[in-house]
Amino acid sequence: SAVISQKPSRDICQRGTSLTIQCQVDSQVTMMFWYRQQPGQSLTLIATANQGSEATYESGFVIDKFPISRPNLTFSTLTVSNMSPEDSSIYLCSVRDSYTGELFFGEGSRLTVL
Amino acid sequence: GQQVMQIPQYQHVQEGEDFTTYCNSSTTLSNIQWYKQRPGGHPVFLIQLVKSGEVKKQKRLTFQFGEAKKNSSLHITATQTTDVGTYFCAGWGAGNTPLVFGKGTRLSVIA
Repeated sequence: SAVISQKPSRDICQRGTSLTIQCQVDSQVTMMFWYRQQPGQSLTLIATANQGSEATYESGFVIDKFPISRPNLTFSTLTVSNMSPEDSSIYLCSVRDSYTGELFFGEGSRLTVL
Repeated sequence: GQQVMQIPQYQHVQEGEDFTTYCNSSTTLSNIQWYKQRPGGHPVFLIQLVKSGEVKKQKRLTFQFGEAKKNSSLHITATQTTDVGTYFCAGWGAGNTPLVFGKGTRLSVIA
């Protein structure tokens, strides 16, 4: 299993500002994933954070809006840039167990953009 | 792209009644996973099904994977208030396609 610490747990942000979410895992993992979950909705994959290379973004998500860092095998950050109210959501960090395929999630970061 | 559809969106049951949620994929899946998310919490892994026609049980929960590996179901027998939450299926396609989540079924249990 993996224990994932995510911060901030929640924040209220002003339109036009940027916020960086941090994700720390208690073990080394090859891939880390960033998901977005809008209120009452399902999980949408934003990007896969790869250590030593650029993140891989899913359709509809771009690096300028959601820059990702992955400096080592236990840590990643996701920045939500130039925020608008449409970015209000829960952002979840996740890792995959390479043996079982199970995804472990952080507690999530609930962002409200005014 | 791959889509995973899940029904119903909401289900309200009396405690003790059974509950079933269904998941259908537009493409054949290599495997399917089920997660439970309690209100205010994060998704927690329940199970993974890999084989065509596979059936797995966890106490009152029964999971099935269709013969064509395009559909799956989760059945809860005699629901309890602790079963409240949203149940998501998530499918892995072939190759390196990312895990795609269904929209989830939100279960409410009335005591």
